[in-house]
This record gives sequence, structure tokens and C-alpha cells, in this order.
Amino acid sequence: AAGVIQSPRHLIKEKRETATLKCYPIPRHDTVYWYQQGPGQDPQFLISFYEKMQSDKGSIPDRFSAQQFSDYHSELNMSSLELGDSALYFCASSLALAGGGYNEQFFGPGTRLTVL
Amino acid sequence: GNSVTQMEGPVTLSEEAFLTINCTYTATGYPSLFWYVQYPGEGLQLLLKATKADDKGSNKGFEATYRKETTSFHLEKGSVQVSDSAVYFCALSDDNYGQNFVFGPGTRLSVLP
Repeated sequence: AAGVIQSPRHLIKEKRETATLKCYPIPRHDTVYWYQQGPGQDPQFLISFYEKMQSDKGSIPDRFSAQQFSDYHSELNMSSLELGDSALYFCASSLALAGGGYNEQFFGPGTRLTVL
Repeated sequence: GNSVTQMEGPVTLSEEAFLTINCTYTATGYPSLFWYVQYPGEGLQLLLKATKADDKGSNKGFEATYRKETTSFHLEKGSVQVSDSAVYFCALSDDNYGQNFVFGPGTRLSVLP
């Protein structure tokens, strides 16, 4: 079965550069979530989108922005990179149930960002 | 705010030993509770979940029961295998729509042959 695809899998940038991470959800999934996992840390929720609209916001820095496109893929844009941004960035997708209710989030393999 | 606390790792066990990883939570409402597993170099995989009090989630020999009275969701397995070596995250979602998770710090499990 198709899973969540993230690209690139690895990215090396220097301080003050910009980076764009991409997430392709499971086909038919309409909701995308972004998480940041620092070295040895638990994943922290950044932001989520449902039907191309931001649905929830967590601890996302102002230097970061994200959007979901008409094909439901999402991009996380990171500017003025700092050393502390080095982390594993996970994307997850889910399908919103008609009438509300929980549906499982499926996680991608992550993009490892290293800021030098 | 909501939070999840897990027992500190690393936990090192011999194959076929009994496993318990403690997890307790703080939440304002009635959250759903989850255990995720992260194998080396891989993404998070849902291991099991429970959506209401007294529910028991189970998968691959792992079990956890949602205990509202003790705000706990301890993970157990009767006989661990080397292939169970991974990091285990307890998590909660306080929104019926499966919105943002709050994860615990993770517990690294190493199973020795």
C-alpha cells in the first residue's frame, strides 16, 4: 500500500539559508501534519492542514511557513535557518471522517535536516 | 496544558523477558491514547491505541489499557524479541478529530539475544 512520501530524505544547509521540505500524503488523504523531532527528543507538532486550509498550529517558528496544495501535498518552508533547526521533520497524513471523528495519522519516514 | 510522561530509558532486557513501559498523562478533556514505535532510521508507526476509558489496545503481542482513574496507559508485552528493539512513544490526542498529538519523551528499548 502507498505510504506517506517525504522529500528529500536528507538535506544539508548552512546557517541563514532556506529549505523546503515536501510531503506527499497517502492517496485520498486530505489532512497533513508536520512534526519536528530534535536529536533525542520527542516529536513536536508544528502545523496541520485540512483541505488546503491551516487547521491547527503548534510550536512552529515564525521563520517557518507551510501550505497545502490542490493535490493535497504540503510543503514546509524554512528561512533564516539556525543550528537549532537541525532535526528530523515528519509529515503525517490522515483522512477526515464524514461527520467528524478521529482517523489514524500515518507518518512518513521523515526528512533529516542538518544545519551547519 | 496536556502532557505525557514516560519512564526514562534506556531499558535493556533479555529476549523473552516481560516488558512494561509506564506512561501517564495530563489532559483537560477525554483524550485518545496511543503508543508509537520508531525503529532505527524510520518514521513513527502506530503500535496501538485506545479511545476511551477501560479500552485495551493490542497489537503484535503488545497491550495497553486506558486507565482514567490513574491517568495511565502502560505498555506491556509478555515476551520481548530482539526485533522489538526500538524507541517507544506514548502520545495523546485531545481532539476527536485526531488533531495534533502530544508525545512523551520516548523510551529506548534494547533487547539482547
